[in-house]
Amino acid sequence: EVQLLESGGGLVQPGGSLRLSCAASGFTFSWFAMSWVRQAPGKGLEWVSGINHSGDRRFYADSVKGRFTISRDNSKNTLYLQVNNLRAEDTALYYCTKEKGSEVDTVKVDSWGQGTLVTVSS
Amino acid sequence: QSALTQPASVSGSPGQSITISCTGTSSDVGTYNLVSWYQQHPGKAPKPLIYEVSNRPSGISDRFSGSKSGNTASLTISGLQPEDEADYYCCSYVYGNTYVFGSGTKVTVL
Repeated sequence: EVQLLESGGGLVQPGGSLRLSCAASGFTFSWFAMSWVRQAPGKGLEWVSGINHSGDRRFYADSVKGRFTISRDNSKNTLYLQVNNLRAEDTALYYCTKEKGSEVDTVKVDSWGQGTLVTVSS
Repeated sequence: QSALTQPASVSGSPGQSITISCTGTSSDVGTYNLVSWYQQHPGKAPKPLIYEVSNRPSGISDRFSGSKSGNTASLTISGLQPEDEADYYCCSYVYGNTYVFGSGTKVTVL
């Protein structure tokens, strides 16, 4: 059974940073692309960033480009999202997601974690 | 990249059919047959319903079907059931290996 367990969220001041982690199990992590999707309180889903199976292709939504960095450690079965220069509008539940393919090009998100909450407030 | 446009709410009685639209542009929905649909119950993670416009993952009821015409994709729920009451989101591939979600539709079973 696929399991995705996010951690690293919390309360941070505007301009601050966090590193989100996602521990994956139940599948061969290095075979699949992964993405982060966020959801602001009471709002809709927003795709944030994706990374291919090997980690050498990374993609970002315009809203986070230059501030967020996605990475993965296939030896540790872990996905990361470094979030810098945080703004109030980054406040959201951040979901770790697994794709059905090896590249970020199919929109086949087949598994979701339960999310980690990031709150940006002074 | 702006969110795809979905109606804020759709409602129907048990047993009826409803359709949720998802309107994009020629940069996303109109060009790529890479549209997915997700169901989200309150407090839960989203669940995939449809991939590639009209393909259902294993285990998904055939009451859920998808289609596309031009820049608009659609999700139809047939034989509406109380457990179908949830939020529904479309998602499309965008040129450059990014994705964009729809604004979301709340389905109410009357």
